[in-house]
Amino acid sequence: GEQVEQRPPHLSVREGDSAVITCTYTDPNSYYFFWYKQEPGASLQLLMKVFSSTEINEGQGFTVLLNKKDKRLSLNLTAAHPGDSAAYFCAPGSGGSNYKLTFGKGTLLTVTP
Amino acid sequence: DPKIIQKPKYLVAVTGSEKILICEQYLGHNAMYWYRQSAKKPLEFMFSYSYQKLMDNQTASSRFQPQSSKKNHLDLQITALKPDDSATYFCASSQDRWTVSYEQYFGPGTRLTVL
Repeated sequence: GEQVEQRPPHLSVREGDSAVITCTYTDPNSYYFFWYKQEPGASLQLLMKVFSSTEINEGQGFTVLLNKKDKRLSLNLTAAHPGDSAAYFCAPGSGGSNYKLTFGKGTLLTVTP
Repeated sequence: DPKIIQKPKYLVAVTGSEKILICEQYLGHNAMYWYRQSAKKPLEFMFSYSYQKLMDNQTASSRFQPQSSKKNHLDLQITALKPDDSATYFCASSQDRWTVSYEQYFGPGTRLTVL
């Protein structure tokens, strides 16, 4: 089955700094890729999505880059602010009849003023 | 208005007991899921349902039984509870398999503590 490795597990940056979270996956059939944000004590909120037909997606101050050849996905935050402090999870999705998401272990991002 | 409702929000149970976690979605989705999140393990896929039929089961234990009485309901029955079952259980839903984009939307979760 799909194996997802997400790094780093913890990331602390200052307000205005950039931050990068990276995921690698193993399933060559992964076609959809999602990033979720989870604030403390809250549920998961869909942050970004990218499909294998696109390689870059931007929004909400984040950029998602997909390198299909290396099976690597990254979430880039160009100017962090304290409201971005949360756990972030990548989730490659495979098609077919199962369409389940396999989540990375998450990255806890802390943005200090 | 919340689109995915999970009940209860918090649940405390004793070892060996049985509990049912409730999930209702009002997004008009045809697929529903259960995930589990604990301090020991990351988000862990448990079950997926499509049109009220079980599609995938990644739970090793038969103590976990999903139940779908209506298309927008997917409850989770847990029997013979153990302390290791303590976790937050998330229900999610998505459009069916025939759409290009099938992002999953998550409910608020039920935090289960087994004493």
